[in-house]
Amino acid sequence: SYVLTQPPSVSVAPGQTARITCGGDNIGSESVHWYQQMPGQAPVLVVYDDTDRPSGIPERFSGSNSENTATLTISRVEVGDEADYYCQVWESRSDRVVFGGGTKLTVL
Amino acid sequence: EVQLVESGGGLEQPGKSLRLSCAASGFSFDDYAMHWVRQVPGKGLEWVSGISWNSRSIGYADSVKGRFTISRDNAKKSLYLQMNSLRAEDTAFYYCAKQKRPDGYFDLWGRGTLVTVSS
Repeated sequence: SYVLTQPPSVSVAPGQTARITCGGDNIGSESVHWYQQMPGQAPVLVVYDDTDRPSGIPERFSGSNSENTATLTISRVEVGDEADYYCQVWESRSDRVVFGGGTKLTVL
Repeated sequence: EVQLVESGGGLEQPGKSLRLSCAASGFSFDDYAMHWVRQVPGKGLEWVSGISWNSRSIGYADSVKGRFTISRDNAKKSLYLQMNSLRAEDTAFYYCAKQKRPDGYFDLWGRGTLVTVSS
């Protein structure tokens, strides 16, 4: 089955840029989606189809996807961005949903 | 209001059964595929099962295949997960989620219901 690999944690100072990666075999050929999950809450979609943002998500959140790595970039990081972030793809070969293991973003 | 509300969680013994429900409101339920995603407290998200809008296409994670059954009632705008032969490792928060398009992302999640399997 398809495996998505995320770093367990990323730390960044307020105002800096955080980059959270999601690795997968030829992931650049897939549509990658990203979710933010605050403690005790349900996940919220922050980026879909590699680069698009749902309404209400700040422009500070952006995505990219190429070759074997997709990246969620959070610019001008705020303390309120501290959360777990998950990447997700649809595995077309098996019609299954695949999530990455998640990355905990810490704002120092 | 556009929302999903799960119910049916609780404490159950290993080997027993539990049925989760998810009530949808505020959108055309029968236009969308629906899924169950679970999360062991403190761990990552795990896809459990999904069902197409017309129930013709159904999928399960290997970890629950043969034990769990997903279903939906479009007239009642409800999604279900019948969980049989429960194991301790099924202990998790269970979220229902609306899939925006058949091969795409989840644009709406419920708040989850906690299932605890323990003797």
